Amino acid sequence: GESVGLHLPTLSVQEGDNSIINCAYSNSASDYFIWYKQESGKGPQFIIDIRSNMDKRQGQRVTVLLNKTVKHLSLQIAATQPGDSAVYFCAEISYNQGGKLIFGQGTELSVKP
Amino acid sequence: DVKVTQSSRYLVKRTGEKVFLECVQDMDHENMFWYRQDPGLGLRLIYFSYDVKMKEKGDIPEGYSVSREKKERFSLILESASTNQTSMYLCASRFLGQGRNTGELFFGEGSRLTVL
Repeated sequence: GESVGLHLPTLSVQEGDNSIINCAYSNSASDYFIWYKQESGKGPQFIIDIRSNMDKRQGQRVTVLLNKTVKHLSLQIAATQPGDSAVYFCAEISYNQGGKLIFGQGTELSVKP
Repeated sequence: DVKVTQSSRYLVKRTGEKVFLECVQDMDHENMFWYRQDPGLGLRLIYFSYDVKMKEKGDIPEGYSVSREKKERFSLILESASTNQTSMYLCASRFLGQGRNTGELFFGEGSRLTVL
């Protein structure tokens, strides 16, 4: 999940709609994946995780989908609320590389009331 | 609740000054990390520490050093601050051990440093 550029990808949704945020990860041997949420001026916060032996995991209003064939991770947020506005980024971890983390650049989610 | 505390939320320093950024975690985590975050560049790893007294260079260590004298504390040092070190600095920690291999990072709230 890395891209180079000056601006984050942006997703704008209407309050109440579902949001889907995507991440293309880089290491096919990664064992574990995390989604973080970062609100303006704050540190990233854990949202949900998934191990590489799973393809779906659900939390409260959030679902993470993992497609190892195409190295793709997605975060689905149901009934998006204004408080969901933030930057979301994925992280991948490889245990056979000492737990090395690679972060995606992130997507900015903007929720319109 | 887990907690990673960064001593300063906002700092303004002058070019050439020595800057200390302090980070303390209360979770008895072995691993601690310093990242900087810049628009369009995402999170970049400066230094990390697997355990007390240990340190490893990350992807962008130039101009920085670190200290890990106690398990709970990881300090980032800018020996001579420069304007290109103006950034948001994020400290993180995690447990990474056998039988509990998740590797989730817990982040502090960040320290926004401006170097004039």
